[in-house]
Amino acid sequence: QLQLQESGPGLVKPSDTLSLTCTVSGYSISSSSYYWGWIRQPPGKGLEWIGSIYYSGSTYYNPSLKSRVTISVDTSGNQLSLKLSSVTAADAAVYYCVTTTIHLWSGIDYWGQGTLVSVSA
Amino acid sequence: QSALTQPASVSGSPGQSITISCTGTSSDIGGYNYVSWYQHYTGKAPKLMIYDVNYRPSGVSNRFSGSKSGNTASLTISGLQTEDEADYYCSSYTGSSTSVIFGGGTKVTVL
Repeated sequence: QLQLQESGPGLVKPSDTLSLTCTVSGYSISSSSYYWGWIRQPPGKGLEWIGSIYYSGSTYYNPSLKSRVTISVDTSGNQLSLKLSSVTAADAAVYYCVTTTIHLWSGIDYWGQGTLVSVSA
Repeated sequence: QSALTQPASVSGSPGQSITISCTGTSSDIGGYNYVSWYQHYTGKAPKLMIYDVNYRPSGVSNRFSGSKSGNTASLTISGLQTEDEADYYCSSYTGSSTSVIFGGGTKVTVL
């Protein structure tokens, strides 16, 4: 059973870099044709797609975040990471680690439980 | 890129059918069959209910169905149950930026 677990600081200072890790269990990132990614939900707002990555390294990013986002995979550790630079209060959100086992654009069928990140000095 | 447009709320009585609309453009919903729908309870992870416009993942009740006409996609919930009370989000691939966009979400209330 594929499971995703996010981890990282719950509080980040403005202008700092937000760094999150997602540990994948029950499946090997490097042995599948799945796409892995991140989605966030600011408090009281809707869902926002951040980006996706294939295990080989091909990436797709939300154009509104592209200049600040890096998504990468660590196949040896079976982990996915997210880095978002120069954060502001607008980046405060619940961040979900996700994967799609259907097709990159078909829909996201596996979600982590989410981790809340606040932005404050 | 603009978000897809969903009604803020939809309500219905138990047993009734309701439909949630999701309007986009020819660059997203109208141009591709990559529309998906998610059910989201507060504090929980969203759940995929429909993918590729009208396909249900294994385990999703057949009371949920999806469709598309032009630039508008729809999610229909038939035989409404109290457990269906949640937020629902539509999503689509957009070819204009090779990315994914979401709707603003619709709160479903069972009266």
